[in-house]
Amino acid sequence: GQQVMQIPQYQHVQEGEDFTTYCNSSTTLSNIQWYKQRPGGHPVFLIQLVKSGEVKKQKRLTFQFGEAKKNSSLHITATQTTDVGTYFCAGTALRTTGKLIFGQGTTLQVKP
Amino acid sequence: NAGVTQTPKFQVLKTGQSMTLQCAQDMNHNSMYWYRQDPGMGLRLIYYSASEGTTDKGEVPNGYNVSRLNKREFSLRLESAAPSQTSVYFCASRSTSGAYEQYFGPGTRLTVT
Repeated sequence: GQQVMQIPQYQHVQEGEDFTTYCNSSTTLSNIQWYKQRPGGHPVFLIQLVKSGEVKKQKRLTFQFGEAKKNSSLHITATQTTDVGTYFCAGTALRTTGKLIFGQGTTLQVKP
Repeated sequence: NAGVTQTPKFQVLKTGQSMTLQCAQDMNHNSMYWYRQDPGMGLRLIYYSASEGTTDKGEVPNGYNVSRLNKREFSLRLESAAPSQTSVYFCASRSTSGAYEQYFGPGTRLTVT
């Protein structure tokens, strides 16, 4: 079945350093969404990418969708302690609607 | 709006016991979902309901049943709990506009001994 792989599983950074998590799908996606889950919390939607090669920014967060629509990345510039949590990508396969396939998530720890 | 609510927050079961996890949303969403979250596994879809009156299996449906009681409520039932079902369970509903993002409930932490 379709798989979405996300790396790395864990990342520890010093506050102020940059952070990137990568997401790769075994099949072409119609769109990809990113969610953030704070420790002990529930996933919260961050953004959706739909177009091939799309880049979107939210303050210090930059999201990219690959040209082939099979990979995506999230880059955080100058991490802060408020960035701590697990970041998930979730893709929708072509010709399906409503069902998301989640990556395993990347857990970010930020040392002050 | 309360968003997506789930009950209970915590539950401990013995192997073989049954229970129902409740979920409700007040956003008038059509689609609702049940996921389980295990360390290193991300979120895996158990069952989903695209609209009132319909349910479909997800990636890991074995050992579970669901009921879409009405547009607001979607329950998950464990008929005979097993230790492998120890997990955190999240209910979600899907927006009907914009990015069609999913809104998650606070989760139920279930331990089966």
